[in-house]
Amino acid sequence: GNSVTQMEGPVTLSEEAFLTINCTYTATGYPSLFWYVQYPGEGLQLLLKATKADDKGSNKGFEATYRKETTSFHLEKGSVQVSDSAVYFCALISNFGNEKLTFGTGTRLTIIP
Amino acid sequence: EPEVTQTPSHQVTQMGQEVILRCVPISNHLYFYWYRQILGQKVEFLVSFYNNEISEKSEIFDDQFSVERPDGSNFTLKIRSTKLEDSAMYFCASSVGQVASYNEQFFGPGTRLTVL
Repeated sequence: GNSVTQMEGPVTLSEEAFLTINCTYTATGYPSLFWYVQYPGEGLQLLLKATKADDKGSNKGFEATYRKETTSFHLEKGSVQVSDSAVYFCALISNFGNEKLTFGTGTRLTIIP
Repeated sequence: EPEVTQTPSHQVTQMGQEVILRCVPISNHLYFYWYRQILGQKVEFLVSFYNNEISEKSEIFDDQFSVERPDGSNFTLKIRSTKLEDSAMYFCASSVGQVASYNEQFFGPGTRLTVL
């Protein structure tokens, strides 16, 4: 079956540090890959996505590249801000007719000034 | 900006009691979903709903669970007889269309269910 494994948290960084949150997946076929973010008291919001191999999703300074050879979709940001403090979820959809998202456990990120 | 809303934000109930979790999806959306996250575990799919019927459900979604769209705006998840292991955060989501590559699923803030 499908599964997503992401970096255990929590992660604490200083402002302007470089961020990487690792995500690897197992899926049949060619899944679409997503990063969702949950800010305190809010719902999960789509941060970025990639629908085929070598695609790069980007939004708000975050990037992730769909790497089929390593089955990975690591989230990166060059310089984090306090406002990036949130929980980040990696997810996939297998694109075989069902539209349910398969999520990782989430990584709590805290940025300190 | 339109958003998915969920009520209540926190529900505490006794084991064996029935609970109804409520969601108001975005108004022009046609596909509706429930997910849950047990503390420290993954967000798990429960059920998807379209055209007034369940389109897919997971093995978690047994006979104790049901979903309903009782009117044009609400989407509810009912747990008939709650168990301790039903304690979790429950997320509702909706989307305009089915193909998730092109139709983002918008999530509500969640309802935290605590079963005592």
